[in-house]
Amino acid sequence: VVLTQLPLSLSVTLGQPASISCRSSQSLLHSDGNTHLHWFQQRPGQSPRRLIYRVSNRDSGVPDRFSGSGSGTDFTLKISSVEAEDVGIYYCLHGANWPTFGQGTTVDI
Amino acid sequence: EMQLVQSGGGLVQSGGSLRLSCVASGFTFSSSWMAWVRQAPGKGLEFVTNINVDDSHAGYLDSVKGRFTISRDNAKNSLYLQMNDLRDEDTAVYYCARDPAYAAFDVWGQGVMVTVS
Repeated sequence: VVLTQLPLSLSVTLGQPASISCRSSQSLLHSDGNTHLHWFQQRPGQSPRRLIYRVSNRDSGVPDRFSGSGSGTDFTLKISSVEAEDVGIYYCLHGANWPTFGQGTTVDI
Repeated sequence: EMQLVQSGGGLVQSGGSLRLSCVASGFTFSSSWMAWVRQAPGKGLEFVTNINVDDSHAGYLDSVKGRFTISRDNAKNSLYLQMNDLRDEDTAVYYCARDPAYAAFDVWGQGVMVTVS
């Protein structure tokens, strides 16, 4: 599986929405009925942090301006209203079989 | 609070060895799959290896097979990565992470830098 994130870089105005696409080379629907596609945020100088698991489940403590959606081969992470603390690199990850990360999308203001 | 605290990074010559450690707290380590993920300078995240709860199964990135060994000591809540025959391309920040299922890494260590030169 190859995950392709677009765009690779995103410059956003504070308060405006942002959207990151993660496309897979093949369907990520697993035989267990789930899609093991997750999203991570890595702020500058910090460890990665999970934001979303299994496409659309937001982690505890993650602001509700973050949302995940998609199915099959096309997935999206949306930030409804970007704040300064959202600066960083965002990665999608497919967790079934051999875990594979997307290349990352850099978000700045 | 769930936490992973790492140690053991540093500068090592090509062909040398290094052992990374990761101590867990705040969750039941013995029931958790664990993993190592690395990030080369200025690059993205790369899954390296993982281990199941009783140390009976592990997967490795092709480029580290035969050189790296993941292990765990459930009595010490500790995860290890033994790295032998290190190469320049192994230079990276190494993170340990908890894997609750299908690489949904929900707890990460602070990362340690390994420099091979």
